[in-house]
Amino acid sequence: DIQMTQSPSNLSASVGDRVTITCRASQSISSYLAWYQQKPGKAPKLLIYKASSLESGVPSRFSGSGSGTEFTLTISSLQPDDFATYYCQQYNSYWTFGQGTKVEIK
Amino acid sequence: EVQLVESGGGLVQPGGSLKLSCAASGFTFSGSAMHWFRQASGKGLEWVGRVRSKIYNYATTYDESVKGRFTISRDDSQNTVYLQMNSLKTEDTAVYYCARQGYTQAFDPWGQGTLVTVSS
Repeated sequence: DIQMTQSPSNLSASVGDRVTITCRASQSISSYLAWYQQKPGKAPKLLIYKASSLESGVPSRFSGSGSGTEFTLTISSLQPDDFATYYCQQYNSYWTFGQGTKVEIK
Repeated sequence: EVQLVESGGGLVQPGGSLKLSCAASGFTFSGSAMHWFRQASGKGLEWVGRVRSKIYNYATTYDESVKGRFTISRDDSQNTVYLQMNSLKTEDTAVYYCARQGYTQAFDPWGQGTLVTVSS
């Protein structure tokens, strides 16, 4: 099984901050990585697919990068609506998620 | 509007059974692989299983934790995917989500989730 490890697990930030979340795979997954945003009591929402492709309708302040085993999600200027938990997911071999990164208000 | 709506969750005793439904609208359901995921309270997301489309003979794949106990099926005439859960354990307690595997191979949309509680 491919294990996904996100860091940090929790992050405190202010509106306007640049935020970066890292996701590491236990083996190479090429670019088969997606990022999701989840708010309390809601379903996950797709933000990024194929490591760096922005899903239609997602604000351009979200961006993704990486390939192989190291990936990042960047929010260029954190907005009030962005406080949520973020998950990476690999789909190179079956489907596994990172443990999540909770972005909280500082 | 592309939408998935789950139903069928509830309280069930250990060893019992429950069948979840996920009704799709707004996209070509018959051509889509459909997946089930779950999320225990306060925990992360976990993949449960998948059913492929007709051209792949409705092939199914399951996580080891549910293999032999859970069965995924679909009715393309009703645009609905099902999750039959048997021999339920307390550790199966979670919110269950269905999701479409899109052309990007990522998952969108997701249903709103339905809570399954396994407890005596």
